Amino acid sequence: NAGVTQTPKFRILKIGQSMTLQCAQDMNHNYMYWYRQDPGMGLKLIYYSVGAGITDKGEVPNGYNVSRSTTEDFPLRLELAAPSQTSVYFCASRIGDRGYNEQFFGPGTRLTVL
Amino acid sequence: DAKTTQPPSMDCAEGRAANLPCNHSTISGNEYVYWYRQIHSQGPQYIIHGLKNNETNEMASLIITEDRKSSTLILPHATLRDTAVYYCIVRSSRGSQGNLIFGKGTKLSVKP
Repeated sequence: NAGVTQTPKFRILKIGQSMTLQCAQDMNHNYMYWYRQDPGMGLKLIYYSVGAGITDKGEVPNGYNVSRSTTEDFPLRLELAAPSQTSVYFCASRIGDRGYNEQFFGPGTRLTVL
Repeated sequence: DAKTTQPPSMDCAEGRAANLPCNHSTISGNEYVYWYRQIHSQGPQYIIHGLKNNETNEMASLIITEDRKSSTLILPHATLRDTAVYYCIVRSSRGSQGNLIFGKGTKLSVKP
């Protein structure tokens, strides 16, 4: 298994541009998450999904959108990029609502907005 | 979810045991203690979790006090590759979100 994969690894955007961060997992996990991590800080939840067709907002959803048309894929869309969205973005997945909560993380996408 | 308190940084000599403490005095009965680590620029990696009993796996041991208000992650023979930020997270076993709430963690530096 490839686990959780993310593309691209790095990206520089100009203010006002848009882009989609890709995330895919091949573990047949139901739950998927998008986090962002600012320098020196912990991760903050942007959006999550408990299954195909179901998404919900996390702690910091403004400026982002997501979709979940398949179990495998969970893309994150940035509309009208702003410097405040400069961060490292991590996608994660877990199997579902079981007693424990082992999450598998992707390698991250480092985004800079200038 | 219960809040956790960890020291911001620790040093450990290579080959020695690294003991990372975590306080979670407001933990409730259905909350697990999870440990993750993040090696520089990589995604967080799951290490271990526990509810009441001490746990051990191939990576580490987790010691939880009897009152469950604190825990210690033990890396028995730290190597340079264990240099990372270690996060202690307390989370309910149920819930529609299931996301992990990351604080700033403990930056462990393993020195030769």
